[in-house]
Amino acid sequence: AQKVTQAQTEISVVEKEDVTLDCVYETRDTTYYLFWYKQPPSGELVFLIRRNSFDEQNEISGRYSWNFQKSTSSFNFTITASQVVDSAVYFCALTPMSGNTPLVFGKGTRLSVIA
Amino acid sequence: EAQVTQNPRYLITVTGKKLTVTCSQNMNHEYMSWYRQDPGLGLRQIYYSMNVEVTDKGDVPEGYKVSRKEKRNFPLILESPSPNQTSLYFCASSVGFRQPQHFGDGTRLSIL
Repeated sequence: AQKVTQAQTEISVVEKEDVTLDCVYETRDTTYYLFWYKQPPSGELVFLIRRNSFDEQNEISGRYSWNFQKSTSSFNFTITASQVVDSAVYFCALTPMSGNTPLVFGKGTRLSVIA
Repeated sequence: EAQVTQNPRYLITVTGKKLTVTCSQNMNHEYMSWYRQDPGLGLRQIYYSMNVEVTDKGDVPEGYKVSRKEKRNFPLILESPSPNQTSLYFCASSVGFRQPQHFGDGTRLSIL
């Protein structure tokens, strides 16, 4: 069975602070994909990134970066110099590369960035 | 514009009155799915469809039905809604099963 844990239910930071959102997963599959999605206050879900289990290189996209560590089963998301527009609920998700197991989401972390 | 369209966006109804939430995508995606989002529980998958006429249960299928007669449409049917189905529902589509999903804007259902 797959499981994704986002232990931080809510985080509050002041604008321009860096913040890391944790994601820990469990799977018996050796090959899998990991995702992050953003849900701003307007409610829609927006895809941010997909990584496969073969590639442990960190990824950076502007102020966003992702740290994938297979050894600790973690796929953490860092926002550098946070802005008010980053306020949202962020979801981490997992699916194996084989079989028909649906995408499993974590419960989400609500990030509030205060001006 | 590429999009997933859900209707209605909001609905208040009563227990037992059959309802359908429509979902349509214009991206020619093969994979479509339905999720419900509840506070503290995150997103849970209800049903998914790999292609036309192919549907399968997700994690929480009880009380729901789906059909996929055409590639673009994937309606969610609640034959006899109950209050525990009060939730925020999302339809999503993607090129393939493990590709990034495009989500609709959500449908907020309240069942009294």
